[in-house]
Amino acid sequence: DSGVTQTPKHLITATGQRVTLRCSPRSGDLSVYWYQQSLDQGLQFLIQYYNGEERAKGNILERFSAQQFPDLHSELNLSSLELGDSALYFCASSVGAENSPLHFGNGTRLTVT
Amino acid sequence: EDKVVQSPLSLVVHEGDTVTLNCSYEVTNFRSLLWYKQEKKAPTFLFMLTSSGIEKKSGRLSSILDKKELFSILNITATQTGDSAIYLCAVSCGKYSGGGADGLTFGKGTHLIIQP
Repeated sequence: DSGVTQTPKHLITATGQRVTLRCSPRSGDLSVYWYQQSLDQGLQFLIQYYNGEERAKGNILERFSAQQFPDLHSELNLSSLELGDSALYFCASSVGAENSPLHFGNGTRLTVT
Repeated sequence: EDKVVQSPLSLVVHEGDTVTLNCSYEVTNFRSLLWYKQEKKAPTFLFMLTSSGIEKKSGRLSSILDKKELFSILNITATQTGDSAIYLCAVSCGKYSGGGADGLTFGKGTHLIIQP
């Protein structure tokens, strides 16, 4: 158990809808990262937060947004969902120092029908 | 464009065999290379490598980095069926906007199957 908690484990929704994925980092970790994993693309970095502030942005669509709250948990909001958004969404956390390893949660499997 | 390439993409061996998984990278501003093991769910951290030529070892797994030739290998000796997983290589290179130090670029993984 990595100590990173993600909810829900599974989510099934229809195209055009909006969903929120939630992540609680490991105790003491200040950085939270969101990744998308699909069969053909592998793990793609979406966005990173450090102590409540956005720190780095990767291949995140404009329809997606995230935030990190004062208690350090994070939420990833996905809107106007498309079939192609179906994927496994991982949250990871680290202490935030350079060269600190990331520890991943078990992911949320999103299915858009 | 930064990239991480793993080979082979899949590998099937028998229990007891030794395997070598490869990871090559082309990135700017390299910081570190990490190996993860992914079974059914979360990728699990194995090693972080920052210096060339220094082997990291944990039980039957070991890894080494060559920063001159831009590659790393992950060795697993005396393989067991529990080693069956996808092994992911990732590089931290600070490429993403905002200067984030830790956003990782992942390879597509090597799917390792150990047959009894």
